[in-house]
Amino acid sequence: DVVMTQTPPSLSVAIGQSVSISCKSSQSLVYSDGKTYLHWLLQSSGRSPKRLIYQVSNLDSGVPDRFSGTGSQKDFTLKISRVEAKDLGVYYCAQTTHFPLTFGSGTKLEIK
Amino acid sequence: EVQLVESGGGLVQPGRSLKLSCVASGFTFNNYWMTWIRQAPGKGLEWVASITNTGGSTYYPDSVKGRFTISRDNAKSTLYLQMNSLRSEDTATYYCTRTVSPYWGQGVMVTVSS
Repeated sequence: DVVMTQTPPSLSVAIGQSVSISCKSSQSLVYSDGKTYLHWLLQSSGRSPKRLIYQVSNLDSGVPDRFSGTGSQKDFTLKISRVEAKDLGVYYCAQTTHFPLTFGSGTKLEIK
Repeated sequence: EVQLVESGGGLVQPGRSLKLSCVASGFTFNNYWMTWIRQAPGKGLEWVASITNTGGSTYYPDSVKGRFTISRDNAKSTLYLQMNSLRSEDTATYYCTRTVSPYWGQGVMVTVSS
């Protein structure tokens, strides 16, 4: 199984600051079609998860460009610039390249 | 507007069965793989099952293989999860998703307890 190691487990940041979350996989996430199926999700308190970024760096519709995703192979990063209060929640990375599908353990973003 | 609405959750005794349903609307259901993902109370996300758009192939992690069955009725735009031999560790909120897309249901709670 692909293990997704996500760090840090929690972050406390002031409004307007920037943060980065790391996600490392135990295997390459490049699929046979050449695409990398690494995604980032946000789960706000009491809500269903919501995908923010797909295939490493593509923003879903309605996601502000303060969010960005980078990385390749086994090493990926989510960056949030100019954090806003509505960004708080738990962020997960997820891979859908290999079965079983696996998730990172989550990073809880809190606002100072 | 894409909607996924789960139902069928509840309290069930260990060893018993439960069947979840997810009615989809707002997209062409039979074009997409579908997936169930669960979240135990206070825990992270765990993949439970996936099914191809035609229903011809299904996929499970070892934790539920042989106990859970994912299926779909494309004519009814409905996804199902038959859960047998339930265990306490299956207690979770179960989400229907268009396979880790932006589209998730609201979740349905399953509690396995005597």
